[in-house]
Amino acid sequence: NAGVTQTPKFRILKIGQSMTLQCTQDMNHNYMYWYRQDPGMGLKLIYYSVGAGITDKGEVPNGYNVSRSTTEDFPLRLELAAPSQTSVYFCASRGQPEAFFGQGTRLTVV
Amino acid sequence: EDKVVQSPLSLVVHEGDTVTLNCSYEVTNFRSLLWYKQEKKAPTFLFMLTSSGIEKKSGRLSSILDKKELFSILNITATQTGDSAIYLCAGLNQGAQKLVFGQGTRLTINP
Repeated sequence: NAGVTQTPKFRILKIGQSMTLQCTQDMNHNYMYWYRQDPGMGLKLIYYSVGAGITDKGEVPNGYNVSRSTTEDFPLRLELAAPSQTSVYFCASRGQPEAFFGQGTRLTVV
Repeated sequence: EDKVVQSPLSLVVHEGDTVTLNCSYEVTNFRSLLWYKQEKKAPTFLFMLTSSGIEKKSGRLSSILDKKELFSILNITATQTGDSAIYLCAGLNQGAQKLVFGQGTRLTINP
């Protein structure tokens, strides 16, 4: 019963490097989301998707890109990492009524 | 732009106290409001509320939504140290299915 799986759990990037955060869900949910959570703060929506092939910007999309080629997968791409992107990233997929979260990726950009 | 605001941002109480956490929302084509509890890692679901105004209860936790005031509260009675967590609320809109969270309330229960 995997639910939402995120990889990696931890990553340290140098400024200017790129990486992809992976997110996979096995619940056949149409709706998927990427959030970032800075220390002591709530969740900020980066991008979301309502189904395969459809994505839209959230509150803080700058510096990120996403794709949704299948129902199961919703990867988040950082092209040119910056220290401001140091955060914990959560992927979520939503059925009815609740959203299920992955265990998060802690990213540090140095 | 959809907006969810929680208050207080931080709350410290003693075990056994009752607490009320607040969540106001401005969500286009509002569909529902969700409450989550976050301990060490991923948020876990507590309640979903709609404009029906029906109160939701689970043990010592209860929540209700006021559709006129665009406001929801989460009550926790007879608090325990295990209730210490960040409590998050999120607004969901009908059309775009965007799920927007508030800043969270950090609740600390002291023995």
